[in-house]
Amino acid sequence: QQQVKQSPQSLIVQKGGISIINCAYENTAFDYFPWYQQFPGKGPALLIAIRPDVSEKKEGRFTISFNKSAKQFSLHIMDSQPGDSATYFCAASIGPNAGNNRKLIWGLGTSLAVNP
Amino acid sequence: DAGVTQSPTHLIKTRGQQVTLRCSPISGHKSVSWYQQVLGQGPQFIFQYYEKEERGRGNFPDRFSARQFPNYSSELNVNALLLGDSALYLCASSLCIEGSGGRATTDTQYFGPGTRLTVL
Repeated sequence: QQQVKQSPQSLIVQKGGISIINCAYENTAFDYFPWYQQFPGKGPALLIAIRPDVSEKKEGRFTISFNKSAKQFSLHIMDSQPGDSATYFCAASIGPNAGNNRKLIWGLGTSLAVNP
Repeated sequence: DAGVTQSPTHLIKTRGQQVTLRCSPISGHKSVSWYQQVLGQGPQFIFQYYEKEERGRGNFPDRFSARQFPNYSSELNVNALLLGDSALYLCASSLCIEGSGGRATTDTQYFGPGTRLTVL
């Protein structure tokens, strides 16, 4: 059972365009939602993260939008660049009140290609 | 500052063999987590260690084991290798924060470059 569902599986965007990747989760106990960027042969690198007490977080060209009632969150990459071409993963974890460590539950990833 | 380091970078083993993967966390980070990433999929949680104790275990067979040393580095061991164990093994470190009731919680996880294990 996939607890974090990510779409689309792949995405092609023109340089300067907006890339949008969506994730949906089921477990309402999740309280931390990071996005990771991974280049081929490399480990994932944290891009941006959000907690459910805010609806949006922006860092540079990257924005997370969070809809708690819909149990959905999305990553927007503004002014997409060829260097953004990578695989993007959304993830979720449960906080201390649930008595668990912060193991990350991952989506299946989105392969983004930004054409020059 | 050095990030998370892992060794070796690549490893080729045959079925039935045993393998040990190593991880050094970011200086000051006390928690280490291990993930398995099969090609084309997201990472799957294997273990989390904090202060040399196992704090979390994913849905992996007993062939997988790990430990954490006093300097917070960690080893992941896999016995009786199967073809399906071929994957990128990722180590993540985090600045562990003690939560309510003394339970260890962790903050942002920072990943190493991984060890690519190929089982033939």
